[in-house]
Amino acid sequence: AQSVAQPEDQVNVAEGNPLTVKCTYSVSGNPYLFWYVQYPNRGLQFLLKYITGDNLVKGSYGFEAEFNKSQTSFHLKKPSALVSDSALYFCAVRDLDNNNDMRFGAGTRLTVKP
Amino acid sequence: GAVVSQHPSRVICKSGTSVKIECRSLDFQATTMFWYRQFPKQSLMLMATSNEGSKATYEQGVEKDKFLINHASLTLSTLTVTSAHPEDSSFYICSARPTGDTQYFGPGTRLTVL
Repeated sequence: AQSVAQPEDQVNVAEGNPLTVKCTYSVSGNPYLFWYVQYPNRGLQFLLKYITGDNLVKGSYGFEAEFNKSQTSFHLKKPSALVSDSALYFCAVRDLDNNNDMRFGAGTRLTVKP
Repeated sequence: GAVVSQHPSRVICKSGTSVKIECRSLDFQATTMFWYRQFPKQSLMLMATSNEGSKATYEQGVEKDKFLINHASLTLSTLTVTSAHPEDSSFYICSARPTGDTQYFGPGTRLTVL
């Protein structure tokens, strides 16, 4: 079965600095990877996904993520953080080859300070 | 800890019948539960948010009479798809949230309507 790990419960960065939210995954087949964001009192919002193609995926709100097969990682990045980026971020993986259910990470709370 | 289960994991039903999906928080009390739907190769779509003991709040475009949600206890929420049609075939995911911001997701239920 597939699994996702987000090793950091919380990430703090200063506004204007680059940010990285880490995600590693484990699947037996080819992965289908997602990042979602959750703002307070809201459901998940889709940020970006990787299925195939370029390893660098660009998504909403200036976020991007790089798929690294050798490291089984899919870290979320943004060159310059905004205070409004403060939210809860979820990484998720689905095993395309085995059509397994989606698994989400536990979430990482990003706080961007002015 | 913080485990959310869904039952059944897969269900196949005939058109016109109703299907009930259960979402349980196994080791915590969930003041809020969310129901999501995922179409093939697409992101999650929030269907509704339910708070224990009160009526669910449905997202725009989601038919409340078709997707009945009950959150009768702090550990159980149910989604009933009434008079199911083939277009209701999808992957339904619930999540549960205790006090605080962290949201825990169930493994999902794949519904196929013939």
